[in-house]
This record gives sequence, structure tokens and C-alpha cells, in this order.
Amino acid sequence: DADVTQTPRNRITKTGKRIMLECSQTKGHDRMYWYRQDPGLGLRLIYYSFDVKDINKGEISDGYSVSRQAQAKFSLSLESAIPNQTALYFCATSEYRGGYNEQFFGPGTRLTVL
Amino acid sequence: LAKTTQPISMDSYEGQEVNITCSHNNIATNDYITWYQQFPSQGPRFIIQGYKTKVTNEVASLFIPADRKSSTLSLPRVSLSDTAVYYCLVGFSGSARQLTFGSGTQLTVLP
Repeated sequence: DADVTQTPRNRITKTGKRIMLECSQTKGHDRMYWYRQDPGLGLRLIYYSFDVKDINKGEISDGYSVSRQAQAKFSLSLESAIPNQTALYFCATSEYRGGYNEQFFGPGTRLTVL
Repeated sequence: LAKTTQPISMDSYEGQEVNITCSHNNIATNDYITWYQQFPSQGPRFIIQGYKTKVTNEVASLFIPADRKSSTLSLPRVSLSDTAVYYCLVGFSGSARQLTFGSGTQLTVLP
């Protein structure tokens, strides 16, 4: 979805380096999410944020940190990258509408850690 | 945690109706059922969401029986472009459960 952008789209780095993946959205949504996807597997939730002051750990937060700089921006950092963090990373957004929750996903960032 | 179970894969032919069933025995009272579609190297795309009975939109229908312990995504007259992975999610928007993607169902549409 063009309303959710991720930078960079591809990144190759070395073990031990600090990496930041950025996500921006123009949908005006309060809620933002970071997922990773490994080949042949489903998405796994890393962190989620229901508003600027709310940050929550997901299923696999170890080795990652996040920053919600503004309503429209949610960054994911790998403090010291390791090879098993090689994956496709997706950012998503949604707005609160009672029980209804439709997430809009960005195009993904393909990260390779050597 | 409302764990979901789906078939790993399904094959169909162009023009047929496809039904993908998801089992969610531990669904909670407040939980909604949501389906996403994902093409390779793209983010998932929302298809449909429902709470009970039947929901229909321009691309699919969602059937939910009275006990809500399962749901069926129905895709009418599939085409080759419907080849994708389909995910069933269960949860309430105030919780992380609704953000849990399983392994999904790989649907392959054959000519």
C-alpha cells in the first residue's frame, strides 16, 4: 500500500552492526506494527504501538527495539545484527474501530545479515 | 490464546469456487475473525472480517457457524491471480491476539 512506506527496501549488513528500519504512513492511523517473515513461514509480530506513548512487545522482541517518533513514524532497530535476523520485515498500520481491525502493510524491507 | 488451524495447502482450477476452513476452538466472546491474502514478497492484504453468520464483500464471503469455533473463507470462481497464501486470524482489536498470523494456507490455482 503506497500510504505505508518502508526504507530501505533492501539492506545487506554484517554481524554486529546496528541497523535501523524506518516506516512512515500517511493514513493517519494511530496503530503501527512491525513483523518479520522468514521464508515459507507466516508473519511474526515483533513490536506494536497503539499510539505514540504506547509500545508493546510482540512474540519475538528479543534483539530488537523500536521508537515511535510521531504518529506517522515507527522505527525498528537491530542493536547488534546477527545472521538469524535475516528476514523480510513488514510494517503495518491500522485504526481503532471497535472490534474491527484492518491492517495496511508496507512493501517490506529485505534484510540480509552476513 | 486463540490458536487457529488451517490446511497447509490446497489446489483448485480456474473458475471453481474455493472454500478454505479455519478452526479456532478457543475463540473468545469479543474475538473477530479476519482473513488476509499474501502474494510472494508482498505484505498481506485484508480480505474480509466477521463476527458471526455470513459476511460478503466484492471479493469473498465468510461463513461463521453459530458456535464460532470455525470459519470458512469462500472465493467464488477463482483465477490464476488468486494463487497466494491465505491467513486466518482471530482476536479483538484491543489485544495482540488479532495480530497473530499462523502459517496460512497456500492456495494454488491451476489452469
